[in-house]
Amino acid sequence: DAGVIQSPRHEVTEMGQEVTLRCKPISGHDYLFWYRQTMMRGLELLIYFNNNVPIDDSGMPEDRFSAKMPNASFSTLKIQPSEPRDSAVYFCASSQDAFLLEQYFGPGTRLTVT
Amino acid sequence: AQSVTQPDIHITVSEGASLELRCNYSYGATPYLFWYVQSPGQGLQLLLKYFSGDTLVQGIKGFEAEFKRSQSSFNLRKPSVHWSDAAEYFCAVGGRNRDDKIIFGKGTRLHILP
Repeated sequence: DAGVIQSPRHEVTEMGQEVTLRCKPISGHDYLFWYRQTMMRGLELLIYFNNNVPIDDSGMPEDRFSAKMPNASFSTLKIQPSEPRDSAVYFCASSQDAFLLEQYFGPGTRLTVT
Repeated sequence: AQSVTQPDIHITVSEGASLELRCNYSYGATPYLFWYVQSPGQGLQLLLKYFSGDTLVQGIKGFEAEFKRSQSSFNLRKPSVHWSDAAEYFCAVGGRNRDDKIIFGKGTRLHILP
């Protein structure tokens, strides 16, 4: 398996623009997680899905953030409108269990909002 | 809810020297404990985990960790580090309730001197 795939790897955008991050989880993994990593706050769980259904989105910082999982092999994290404070590395991870088994992380998307 | 603290932001050791990275947690019962490693530009990879049983856990790449209930600690150790061990290390804590999420520490960046 190719592992968790994220695209793009780097994104530079201007404040106010819409940003869409993409993730393809490992086949057979029922859980998908979106994290945000910053120097100040470390690694934060934003939202996670089970069988394509959002289970907990309490970590999503604002209504500007939204995530979808239309099928088992694809998820998106959208920020609209983007702001400079959204600059971070966004990771997608997948797992066969919610939090008891290893989470497999993608390489991340480094987002810079100017 | 659980919490986790990694007291050391940076650690520098010489190649061949022993290593210990500290992790302290807070949780009302015995938590699930994890150590992940993040190499530059990559996602996190699981080194080892503790759920129950033997309090000394062996992981990949020659790492081990010891769960000490009395000290609420789960320190990561390696007897002899290699230059390739330079990375950021994250301790993570999961709760035993189904709705408990995994919480990551802020990380410890390991530097290796030649």
